[in-house]
Amino acid sequence: EPEVTQTPSHQVTQMGQEVILRCVPISNHLYFYWYRQILGQKVEFLVSFYNNEISEKSEIFDDQFSVERPDGSNFTLKIRSTKLEDSAMYFCASSELSGANQPQHFGDGTRLSIL
Amino acid sequence: GESVGLHLPTLSVQEGDNSIINCAYSNSASDYFIWYKQESGKGPQFIIDIRSNMDKRQGQRVTVLLNKTVKHLSLQIAATQPGDSAVYFCAENWRTGGSYIPTFGRGTSLIVHP
Repeated sequence: EPEVTQTPSHQVTQMGQEVILRCVPISNHLYFYWYRQILGQKVEFLVSFYNNEISEKSEIFDDQFSVERPDGSNFTLKIRSTKLEDSAMYFCASSELSGANQPQHFGDGTRLSIL
Repeated sequence: GESVGLHLPTLSVQEGDNSIINCAYSNSASDYFIWYKQESGKGPQFIIDIRSNMDKRQGQRVTVLLNKTVKHLSLQIAATQPGDSAVYFCAENWRTGGSYIPTFGRGTSLIVHP
């Protein structure tokens, strides 16, 4: 079964540095998402992306964050000037279609640790 | 603000028992609900979904019930197996502009004893 893959599985970064988290969505999917899960807390929506532009973003997704689809397969999340509170699991997801009744397929996440 | 929450943070059952995991939601504009399973070190895995125009949907060993009157969602797992041990959480999708924003609950940890 096709799956969403994320790299790296664990990223350790010094506070203030930039980090890029990478995702390869399922190949025929058109809609892409990033989520964040701080340890012990809920999964939180960050951003959705379609047709090379952001569809929706949450309050969390401020100017510190950006997303990009640099080629036909990768979908990246860049976090600039990282802060301690950015430490979390970051999940990428994709769906074939958009709309309310479209399940999203998640990757296994990147654990981001800011020191 | 709107929120999705769970009634029980931990549920322990014996293998073979039926499990029921509950979820309350507060956004009356939500029109689609999903249950996810998350195993340790893994991403959320889609289990079953239900639209707001339905009150019950069945899958393989799982049933989701939706009570819009009291804004309550439940996941029933029949003949629970040790492999069902995981965190389960519900999510609701509500429409904003042209897209849907998912909101997740905190999760219930299901522990299945052999």
